[in-house]
Amino acid sequence: GENVEQHPSTLSVQEGDSAVIKCTYSDSASNYFPWYKQELGKRPQLIIDIRSNVGEKKDQRIAVTLNKTAKHVSLHISETQPEDSAVYFCAATPYGGATNKLIFGTGTLLAVQP
Amino acid sequence: NAGVTQTPKFRILKIGQSMTLQCTQDMNHNYMYWYRQDPGMGLKLIYYSVGAGITDKGEVPNGYNVSRSTTEDFPLRLELAAPSQTSVYFCASSSSPPGSSNQPQHFGDGTRLSIL
Repeated sequence: GENVEQHPSTLSVQEGDSAVIKCTYSDSASNYFPWYKQELGKRPQLIIDIRSNVGEKKDQRIAVTLNKTAKHVSLHISETQPEDSAVYFCAATPYGGATNKLIFGTGTLLAVQP
Repeated sequence: NAGVTQTPKFRILKIGQSMTLQCTQDMNHNYMYWYRQDPGMGLKLIYYSVGAGITDKGEVPNGYNVSRSTTEDFPLRLELAAPSQTSVYFCASSSSPPGSSNQPQHFGDGTRLSIL
């Protein structure tokens, strides 16, 4: 089945720097890749997503890039702020979404130091 | 503007006890999901449902049961609680399958369950 590996598990950056989180998925048929942000003790919330027919998508300081050949999807946060501190999860749809599931990565704890 | 509501928020169970985690949504979503989140780990899918009367297993279904008698409710039952089931449980819902539209999965606030 689909396997999603996420790196790094923890990331510490200075305020204003960029942060990059990378996921590698195993199922080449996966066609949808959402990213969720989970603040401490809160529910996961969707921050950005990308489909397999698009290489890059941007929303203000957040961007996601997809490399289908390498089966990599990456989250880029620019000009980081302390409120960006949270756990970030990538996810992928196995079998092109035919199974109605999302498979999540193990998460990255991002700490933005003021 | 309730969205996805989970009850209880916290619970401590003894080994062998049973309980039901409640999940209800008021968005008329067909798709509902139960995940567990262990410390330092991602979300693992337990069971999901694509509509009333239809359920299916996820990645880690052993030790759990679900039912979907109405569109709104998707309870998760633990019959014989074991320490390995200590986790945070999240319910989620969506109007369509992942990736088929721009509609995301909406999550509840979670139930923190400890089995002692």
